[in-house]
Amino acid sequence: AQSVTQLGSHVSVSEGALVLLRCNYSSSVPPYLFWYVQYPNQGLQLLLKYTSAATLVKGINGFEAEFKKSETSFHLTKPSAHMSDAAEYFCAVSEGGTGANNLFFGTGTRLTVIP
Amino acid sequence: GAVVSQHPSRVICKSGTSVKIECRSLDFQATTMFWYRQFPKQSLMLMATSNEGSKATYEQGVEKDKFLINHASLTLSTLTVTSAHPEDSSFYICSARDGGVINNEQFFGPGTRLTVL
Repeated sequence: AQSVTQLGSHVSVSEGALVLLRCNYSSSVPPYLFWYVQYPNQGLQLLLKYTSAATLVKGINGFEAEFKKSETSFHLTKPSAHMSDAAEYFCAVSEGGTGANNLFFGTGTRLTVIP
Repeated sequence: GAVVSQHPSRVICKSGTSVKIECRSLDFQATTMFWYRQFPKQSLMLMATSNEGSKATYEQGVEKDKFLINHASLTLSTLTVTSAHPEDSSFYICSARDGGVINNEQFFGPGTRLTVL
């Protein structure tokens, strides 16, 4: 079974500061991991994904995440926050390599960027 | 990139009526489509998975007779909320997977906000 835990339902950072959103996963098989961003009243946009290739994954808008199997983590980072980064971020896991592709989402982290 | 659309984006209906939401893959063939619902400030919860030409698979706790899903073509899936009640008010999001690309990526629609009065 797969599950995702996002620590911190709400994170606030100053503009220009480091963004760190935490995600830990549980999976009985090698996982595929995803980060999505959701702006108000919109669907989800894929930021980046890990599918068993390089452990450091670079995504759009300057975000990146590192897959750490030993820590079962896939934290999302960005060196310098912009006001436009304010949104809800969801980490998700799916089974990798088996063809099953149901996504299991974390509860989300709302990022606030302070001017 | 792959684009998924939903229609309508927002709908308000009276209690007891039925509402149909459409999900379309615009530039790829979606062998599998997923329907999620999202309550305010909560995560997405998978309601059902539909494969083109076959019956949808519903998640535990989701009433299949209330949430009718039809995936009649490779580019269209519909979700009908029958006899809607205020507790069905939610944000409904669909996603679609390109059957020709084995990458486990789902492409999400922009969502439909349903308000039942």
